[in-house]
Amino acid sequence: EAEVAQSPRYKITEKSQAVAFWCDPISGHATLYWYRQILGQGPELLVQFQDESVVDDSQLPKDRFSAERLKGVDSTLKIQPAELGDSAMYLCASSLRDFDNEQFFGPGTRLTVL
Amino acid sequence: ELKVEQNPLFLSMQEGKNYTIYCNYSTTSDRLYWYRQDPGKSLESLFVLLSNGAVKQEGRLMASLDTKARLSTLHITAAVHDLSATYFCAVDTSGTYKYIFGTGTRLKVLA
Repeated sequence: EAEVAQSPRYKITEKSQAVAFWCDPISGHATLYWYRQILGQGPELLVQFQDESVVDDSQLPKDRFSAERLKGVDSTLKIQPAELGDSAMYLCASSLRDFDNEQFFGPGTRLTVL
Repeated sequence: ELKVEQNPLFLSMQEGKNYTIYCNYSTTSDRLYWYRQDPGKSLESLFVLLSNGAVKQEGRLMASLDTKARLSTLHITAAVHDLSATYFCAVDTSGTYKYIFGTGTRLKVLA
């Protein structure tokens, strides 16, 4: 069964360091999403790609976060420098952007900033 | 701005009992999704509801959508311990293919 892949699964870093997360969507899914989920809350969209183009990054803290999907397949989310408040689960999802637009989520990356 | 609210936020129930989780949203949408999340895990898709009056059932869970009332319900029948998890509804904002998630309902089923 096709799945969204993410790595690493866990990341511990010190504040002011740089971190990067990788996501490989389900094959054929043109739309890719990065979410941040703080413990006890629902996921919040950070950035949405359609192929290699950013569709929505209105909630992405652009002073420290960046995201790219250069060839329209896999994607990288980077934080530089990391802050204590960035500790959260970072989830990647993909969809076909068809009528039902069901999003399928990867296992997530749990980030802890010390 | 679209807002999605769930209630209750926390639910503790006995095995064998029935209960309903409510999801209200603030603007027009005809696509609503339910997900389950176990502690420390990712989100698992449960139901996709695409039109007014849609009803989907899987095992002990049944979801419905009333777009006129801007309300979806997730009904649990004869709860079992394995249903303990956090349940999220998400609304697809019309024309953007973007989800807005609800606050989540943490369900604990007691043996």
